[in-house]
Amino acid sequence: DAKTTQPTSMDCAEGRAANLPCNHSTISGNEYVYWYRQIHSQGPQYIIHGLKNNETNEMASLIITEDRKSSTLILPHATLRDTAVYYCIVSGGTSYGKLTFGQGTILTVHP
Amino acid sequence: EPEVTQTPSHQVTQMGQEVILRCVPISNHLYFYWYRQILGQKVEFLVSFYNNEISEKSEIFDDQFSVERPDGSNFTLKIRSTKLEDSAMYFCASSDYPHSYNEQFFGPGTRLTVL
Repeated sequence: DAKTTQPTSMDCAEGRAANLPCNHSTISGNEYVYWYRQIHSQGPQYIIHGLKNNETNEMASLIITEDRKSSTLILPHATLRDTAVYYCIVSGGTSYGKLTFGQGTILTVHP
Repeated sequence: EPEVTQTPSHQVTQMGQEVILRCVPISNHLYFYWYRQILGQKVEFLVSFYNNEISEKSEIFDDQFSVERPDGSNFTLKIRSTKLEDSAMYFCASSDYPHSYNEQFFGPGTRLTVL
């Protein structure tokens, strides 16, 4: 699976949009970009995934650059409950669903 | 909303003892996974399981580990002879598909403490 690079930490004010970047310059054509988050020590929670088109669901939006070498997760109106570690994961190809977690980005939402 | 459940929430055992961690995946899911997270470290993949056999396993998943789906609902992880370094949070997950089409649903985890 392709390696991803994320900032170690980010801050965001409550009610503002949180934009979390991820670089995945070695992504291959059949690999998807997934975003998960982990609140405190709970189990990781799926947020969104995409291949090459931008995606939106009730939680977030995912913007993938045209060359697919980077992406941005957008939480449109961050709340205190969005404080978590956010993981950008590239997965696919011949892997049977194996998710390789990195260190992720610690997002802190401030009042 | 359907969810993955895990029991027990916390297991304390002595080094060298066998432990079985239990998981009930979401009922219509076909792919099952175990991950672990040592305190302060990354979430690590252990094994994926489909159609009653292991699909993929990591180098962590050595002969001390085994998985089983003993009935139509449970999915278990057995550690035969626990070591101190097995102390971690163990997460079970399930999905409809192995990747791409659906997300993995994670359980709340079992905290294993080996003394």
